[in-house]
Amino acid sequence: DGGITQSPKYLFRKEGQNVTLSCEQNLNHDAMYWYRQDPGQGLRLIYYSQIVNDFQKGDIAEGYSVSREKKESFPLTVTSAQKNPTAFYLCATHSGELFFGEGSRLTVL
Amino acid sequence: SQQGEEDPQALSIQEGENATMNCSYKTSINNLQWYRQNSGRGLVHLILIRSNEREKHSGRLRVTLDTSKKSSSLLITASRAADTASYFCATDAGGFKTIFGAGTRLFVKA
Repeated sequence: DGGITQSPKYLFRKEGQNVTLSCEQNLNHDAMYWYRQDPGQGLRLIYYSQIVNDFQKGDIAEGYSVSREKKESFPLTVTSAQKNPTAFYLCATHSGELFFGEGSRLTVL
Repeated sequence: SQQGEEDPQALSIQEGENATMNCSYKTSINNLQWYRQNSGRGLVHLILIRSNEREKHSGRLRVTLDTSKKSSSLLITASRAADTASYFCATDAGGFKTIFGAGTRLFVKA
């Protein structure tokens, strides 16, 4: 099946820990995105990448890091510097429209 | 920053009724898109309308765009319980950045 796979679906983290969310796509799209969604709110852009080995900060990049070593993969690391990391994280690719994964829900204990 | 603002924030209707959601935005756009999100899931693209289009249909969906007022509306006709979801407008102003509004939560009662 063509699509976007995010893992894990649920993740719990202790304060002070870094965690990495995986996003893999087999749609052969160049552009990939990470969004954060808080309860009852819209999506805010964290990072995006238009091509391999290149990425740009979105509106809320502080406390997050990404890499784009392969076209298929765009992992997001939530670092201990992110003060309020509990949220729903969505990965997407872009080809005229956005195609989304099923999301990863991160909870800080 | 959020470009689109949806109205109303929440909408509750009976099955069979029409549902109308509105979206306003602030800057010039290339296109406007509507997405649907079931609770706890990813977003699914519904329809895209370009800046030079005024109206577009897809099944039970009708989207209008008024660039002079910087607004759009999404009409779902003959709603069903399965239409219960959150609906988001998103604007594309170029540069690979799509900006989302806060969404309208639609509840369709059977």
